[in-house]
Amino acid sequence: GENVEQHPSTLSVQEGDSAVIKCTYSDSASNYFPWYKQELGKGPQLIIDIRSNVGEKKDQRIAVTLNKTAKHFSLHITETQPEDSAVYFCAASKGDSWGKFQFGAGTQVVVTP
Amino acid sequence: EAQVTQNPRYLITVTGKKLTVTCSQNMNHEYMSWYRQDPGLGLRQIYYSMNVEVTDKGDVPEGYKVSRKEKRNFPLILESPSPNQTSLYFCASSPTRLARYEQYFGPGTRLTVT
Repeated sequence: GENVEQHPSTLSVQEGDSAVIKCTYSDSASNYFPWYKQELGKGPQLIIDIRSNVGEKKDQRIAVTLNKTAKHFSLHITETQPEDSAVYFCAASKGDSWGKFQFGAGTQVVVTP
Repeated sequence: EAQVTQNPRYLITVTGKKLTVTCSQNMNHEYMSWYRQDPGLGLRQIYYSMNVEVTDKGDVPEGYKVSRKEKRNFPLILESPSPNQTSLYFCASSPTRLARYEQYFGPGTRLTVT
């Protein structure tokens, strides 16, 4: 089955710097890759997603890149702000059975002023 | 307000005492799913449902049951809870029309089994 690995597990950045989180997946049939942000005491919330027919997607300060050959995808946050502090999860799913999701273990991001 | 609700939010119970965690969504979503979250393991999918009367196993279904008799509700049943089911549980729903896969998560249910 699919296995998703996420690195790093913790990331501390200075406000204004960029943060990058990387995930690798094992099943080449996976074709949908969302990223979720979880704030303390809340449920995860989708922040951006990408499908396998696209190499990059951007939404303001957040971008996701996908390398299908290497089977990895990354979340990029630019000009980080204290409110970006949270746990971030990547996930992968397959189109033919997209209802089944595998999540990474999560990355705790701390943005220090 | 569009949302996914879970009840109860906190529950402490004893080994073997059957319990049900309810999940309800008001967005007319076809897809619903249950996850458990444990430190260092991220979110692991327990069961999911593509529509009414259609359910399927995720990666960690052992010890859990689900049913989907109505579109809006997707209860999680623990017939005989054990301490290793102590965890934070999330329900999620998703629209599937127009190939939209984003999941909307509930606030979570923290379960402790002693």
